[in-house]
Amino acid sequence: SQTIHQWPATLVQPVGSPLSLECTVEGTSNPNLYWYRQAAGRGLQLLFYSVGIGQISSEVPQNLSASRPQDRQFILSSKKLLLSDSGFYLCAWSFGRGREKLFFGSGTQLSVL
Amino acid sequence: LAKTTQPISMDSYEGQEVNITCSHNNIATNDYITWYQQFPSQGPRFIIQGYKTKVTNEVASLFIPADRKSSTLSLPRVSLSDTAVYYCLVPRGSARQLTFGSGTQLTVLP
Repeated sequence: SQTIHQWPATLVQPVGSPLSLECTVEGTSNPNLYWYRQAAGRGLQLLFYSVGIGQISSEVPQNLSASRPQDRQFILSSKKLLLSDSGFYLCAWSFGRGREKLFFGSGTQLSVL
Repeated sequence: LAKTTQPISMDSYEGQEVNITCSHNNIATNDYITWYQQFPSQGPRFIIQGYKTKVTNEVASLFIPADRKSSTLSLPRVSLSDTAVYYCLVPRGSARQLTFGSGTQLTVLP
């Protein structure tokens, strides 16, 4: 069966510090991978998605970047965090072959102070 | 590009049937409609997926009319634990962006 791992669960970072969130998927190959962010009390905002190694599409211009160095690894990064980067970050994957069904990780609660 | 519209919130009482409708006027011919449930501080969880007519599983039913421009999630006999945000999701664009709408906050009252 497939599983998705996302860490850390919580993170408190000062403004201007770097960020690296990692997500890995097990039990499947060539998944579509997604990073979402959810501000407090708000909906899910799609940040990045990837259909293959090294293939990253950005949905919203922002202070963040994503990379996919391996088939089942997706990394969200920032060189300098802003206060507005605070939120709940979720990684997800899908089979990506027509009947897209998203499977989410447990999320990272990021607080930028 | 398919965009979804749902009511922002709904209230219900325990034991009642709840129907949440989502409009997706520009859904593509081959796209499926998927519904998710989200509790606070958790990732959304898959509920049900369908293409046309009716789909039923152990937790919900999904009704999709012939024109497929809308869909209705039906939750039978809701309980307090069904209080959550419910999202319908339709792929957007040829690149398969999976963009969520604003969702519907369902509150089940005792």
